[in-house]
Amino acid sequence: NAGVMQNPRHLVRRRGQEARLRCSPMKGHSHVYWYRQLPEEGLKFMVYLQKENIIDESGMPKERFSAEFPKEGPSILRIQQVVRGDSAAYFCASSPPGGGSNQPQHFGDGTRLSIL
Amino acid sequence: GQNIDQPTEMTATEGAIVQINCTYQTSGFNGLFWYQQHAGEAPTFLSYNVLDGLEEKGRFSSFLSRSKGYSYLLLKELQMKDSASYLCAVRSNTGFQKLVFGTGTRLLVSP
Repeated sequence: NAGVMQNPRHLVRRRGQEARLRCSPMKGHSHVYWYRQLPEEGLKFMVYLQKENIIDESGMPKERFSAEFPKEGPSILRIQQVVRGDSAAYFCASSPPGGGSNQPQHFGDGTRLSIL
Repeated sequence: GQNIDQPTEMTATEGAIVQINCTYQTSGFNGLFWYQQHAGEAPTFLSYNVLDGLEEKGRFSSFLSRSKGYSYLLLKELQMKDSASYLCAVRSNTGFQKLVFGTGTRLLVSP
């Protein structure tokens, strides 16, 4: 799974600060997905992006959270004014363009966000 | 609504066979995936089913019954390294690609 690169692996922020999580998809992949995993819970879908477009953001909280996937560079998940409840593991996944429905999403190692 | 159910935890012995069940109720269906996740690591893809029946891949097999909303993952010849969480995920047919995950089944393989 080294193909999907996420950084940082661990991020510590104080309440009220901003957190920026980065994801570079596997080579040749143009679809990016962000998921959040709370302790003892399953992965929860947040947002699905293609280059320069947000396709589905139905899982994103309405406030403080935003995501982008620019033409150049990694996808960014941005959390403003973080609160304790934002502490979680954030996983990015990618899949090939236009791909058949049997194309799995490949996951990165995640960013563990801790809010002090 | 969408609901995916899996047992929380299972234990098994090295060399044995274990079956991890998953039931789902989703608005539309376009495939079911199984992933393995070791603690602190990324989920890794194991198998995909979209038609009814059994898909076999080495020591791992996955079964799907769409009419019953049911799948299972079968692990044979268990090894200690198989101790991990196993995640069942369903993709809907809304045109978007998001996966809906169960909470995962934590499998502990003992000697």
